[in-house]
Amino acid sequence: EAGVTQFPSHSVIEKGQTVTLRCDPISGHDNLYWYRRVMGKEIKFLLHFVKESKQDESGMPNNRFLAERTGGTYSTLKVQPAELEDSGVYFCASSHSGHGTGIYNEQFFGPGTRLTVL
Amino acid sequence: DAKTTQPNSMESNEEEPVHLPCNHSTISGTDYIHWYRQLPSQGPEYVIHGLTSNVNNRMASLAIAEDRKSSTLILHRATLRDAAVYYCILRDRRGGSNYKLTFGKGTLLTVNP
Repeated sequence: EAGVTQFPSHSVIEKGQTVTLRCDPISGHDNLYWYRRVMGKEIKFLLHFVKESKQDESGMPNNRFLAERTGGTYSTLKVQPAELEDSGVYFCASSHSGHGTGIYNEQFFGPGTRLTVL
Repeated sequence: DAKTTQPNSMESNEEEPVHLPCNHSTISGTDYIHWYRQLPSQGPEYVIHGLTSNVNNRMASLAIAEDRKSSTLILHRATLRDAAVYYCILRDRRGGSNYKLTFGKGTLLTVNP
């Protein structure tokens, strides 16, 4: 079974440009999460989808970040316009809901997208 | 979220057991203890989780103190592939916004050949 995939693996853009990151979760996983690690800091939660609905977006830093999950399959995270402080590694994760025990279910992470804003 | 405290780094030799400690003195009765690790240049991966009783799986064992204020992740025979940052994370089983993982700094484990 394929794991969580993320595209692109690296992206280098100029300040002010737009970048869209894509995440394909494991097939059948209703829960999809975005996290990021900016330089020298800890991995931070951004938001959580259950199917196509945003369950928790408390970690989104500001309105320059827009996440979507149309149809409840893959998700995109758009940064517009990008700023220098957005540089870092963006991770996507997914988990199965399964029998109401979703809180316990392990999250499967993708390899991340390294974003560099110049 | 309740906080956890882990040593910044630990070192082990290959094929020896490793005990990674975690303190969580403010843990609540509804918090599960989860461990994840992040290998170099990869995303985090799940290792194990538990509530009160000790747990074993193919990757590791989790020993939980009787008062639940601390736990220890045990790698029975460390391999070079186990070199990673290990994160001890508390997650409230009541769900909702607690689905998210709250990562701390973790413990950087170095395994010597």
